[in-house]
Amino acid sequence: AQSVTQLDSHVSVSEGTPVLLRCNYSSSYSPSLFWYVQHPNKGLQLLLKYTSAATLVKGINGFEAEFKKSETSFHLTKPSAHMSDAAEYFCVVSDSFGNTDKLIFGTGTRLQVFP
Amino acid sequence: DAGVIQSPRHEVTEMGQEVTLRCKPISGHDYLFWYRQTMMRGLELLIYFNNNVPIDDSGMPEDRFSAKMPNASFSTLKIQPSEPRDSAVYFCASSLAGVEQYFGPGTRLTVT
Repeated sequence: AQSVTQLDSHVSVSEGTPVLLRCNYSSSYSPSLFWYVQHPNKGLQLLLKYTSAATLVKGINGFEAEFKKSETSFHLTKPSAHMSDAAEYFCVVSDSFGNTDKLIFGTGTRLQVFP
Repeated sequence: DAGVIQSPRHEVTEMGQEVTLRCKPISGHDYLFWYRQTMMRGLELLIYFNNNVPIDDSGMPEDRFSAKMPNASFSTLKIQPSEPRDSAVYFCASSLAGVEQYFGPGTRLTVT
């Protein structure tokens, strides 16, 4: 079965410093992987997705993630954090089921950004 | 497009009462998903529909939960009778023939 593990429940950074949110996946075949962001009292928004094309995926708001099969990782990075990046981030793997994919969510990483 | 619309945004009810949550998917999307988010269990898929037909309801916790999609632009999730452990944020999401799901703002349910 597919699964994802988010290695940090909380990450704190200063504004302007790099962001690294870690995610490892488990999959019996080449997976589709996603990062979603959830701002307080809001729904989830897709940041980026990997679907077996380029291993370095660029998303919205300056985020990117690199798929590393040898490490079974899909870490999310951003060169310079902004206050508006403070939110909960979910690493997600798809599990093919019939004609569509069920999304399996990680437990989330809460990102705090200090001025 | 207005995105996925959910109502109400907040619902407070007493144990034993019936609760109905509503969702309007993005126009043209053919898949609709209902999720529940709690601190203890994170995000869980409850049920999903394809072209208004329920495909997988294995995540529905028990018979007190039911979901319908009478047409392509409307779905309901009903809990009857409600219990305090049903307190959670319920999300609806829709997608067009693929895995990129668009989420609504959620309904925060509190059962006292």
